[in-house]
Amino acid sequence: AQTVTQSQPEMSVQEAETVTLSCTYDTSENNYYLFWYKQPPSRQMILVIRQEAYKQQNATENRFSVNFQKAAKSFSLKISDSQLGDTAMYFCAFTSYNTDKLIFGTGTRLQVFP
Amino acid sequence: GAGVSQSPRYKVAKRGQDVALRCDPISGHVSLFWYQQALGQGPEFLTYFQNEAQLDKSGLPSDRFFAERPEGSVSTLKIQRTQQEDSAVYLCASSLTGGGQLQPQHFGDGTRLSIL
Repeated sequence: AQTVTQSQPEMSVQEAETVTLSCTYDTSENNYYLFWYKQPPSRQMILVIRQEAYKQQNATENRFSVNFQKAAKSFSLKISDSQLGDTAMYFCAFTSYNTDKLIFGTGTRLQVFP
Repeated sequence: GAGVSQSPRYKVAKRGQDVALRCDPISGHVSLFWYQQALGQGPEFLTYFQNEAQLDKSGLPSDRFFAERPEGSVSTLKIQRTQQEDSAVYLCASSLTGGGQLQPQHFGDGTRLSIL
């Protein structure tokens, strides 16, 4: 069975600084996708970034980038130049080629301070 | 609107009552997913439709939970004889194609269900 683990329940960062959120996962699959979702207090889950496991190059989306270490089954999210609007719950999620459902971690609550 | 729409946004029911939660996916989206999110937890998969076919219902916690998507668009999640442990936010997501991992899932705002 696949599992996703986020070991940081809460993180905080000052505006304009950089913060890294950790995620590890466990799977016996070789072909899969990894995602970071953001959930503001309004509750709507928003896709931040995704990584395809067969791609060695780390995905980037503007201020968001990942450090994907396939052998270590690690998938961390780096947020550069943090903004107040980045305050939210962040969920790491996994899906394999053999299924369509997302498996989520327990989340990291990020607070950005002015 | 262009996004996934869920109704009602909040639902309060007494233990033992039946409830029905509605999801309107993005127009043209083939795949539809239901997730249950308990307080302080990540969402957990309940069930998945591709058009009107329910391809995976492995996450439904008991036979009190039933989902349908009869015309391949709007979906309803029904919970019979509700219990307090059913209290959670129920999230609906849709994606453009089957094989949803190739297309991102777009989520609605969820329905917060409280069982008294």
